[in-house]
Amino acid sequence: DTGVSQDPRHKITKRGQNVTFRCDPISEHNRLYWYRQTLGQGPEFLTYFQNEAQLEKSRLLSDRFSAERPKGSFSTLEIQRTEQGDSAMYLCASSRVGQTQETQYFGPGTRLLVL
Amino acid sequence: KQEVTQIPAALSVPEGENLVLNCSFTDSAIYNLQWFRQDPGKGLTSLLLIQSSQREQTSGRLNASLDKSSGRSTLYIAASQPGDSATYLCAVAAGNKLTFGGGTRVLVKP
Repeated sequence: DTGVSQDPRHKITKRGQNVTFRCDPISEHNRLYWYRQTLGQGPEFLTYFQNEAQLEKSRLLSDRFSAERPKGSFSTLEIQRTEQGDSAMYLCASSRVGQTQETQYFGPGTRLLVL
Repeated sequence: KQEVTQIPAALSVPEGENLVLNCSFTDSAIYNLQWFRQDPGKGLTSLLLIQSSQREQTSGRLNASLDKSSGRSTLYIAASQPGDSATYLCAVAAGNKLTFGGGTRVLVKP
């Protein structure tokens, strides 16, 4: 396993711009999760996919946020018309459903700063 | 709604002392509980996972206990080292997502 990877690692953007993040899960992991973490807080759940189906979305995921996992492999998270309140670390995790212990493995995160 | 609390928020100990980190949760209907480590600006590393039917898990110097009925878990780190300095997060799994506490920031002084 090469681990969960995320790209980019850092993103600085101006308010009102659109940004897109990518997550590549551990191969053969069929579940993929997105979390958001603000400074000094624990991560908060945003959404998750099982294969290509998006099965749950948090109320935190406003209509400016959209996530996709088109082929059940990598996933993208897009934020439209960014706001300063979107500044946070965006974490991706993956897991394999059906394992005895379904541990979620986290990527290094994408740190977003909206100016 | 599940709420997870970690106390204390920060902890500073001299090297060699044992660490005791506390986690409490409000809804005992959990699937499992995980402890993670997070270094500054980095992602999360899973340390231990305790299934809801288990009472404790051990890995090296780490031991985590779970008391589901009282909604509590404790992470013990024996003989702390400066390299143990990090933020420790607990998370409970209910359904298909993790609910995290705010973390305990640990500093082990040489």
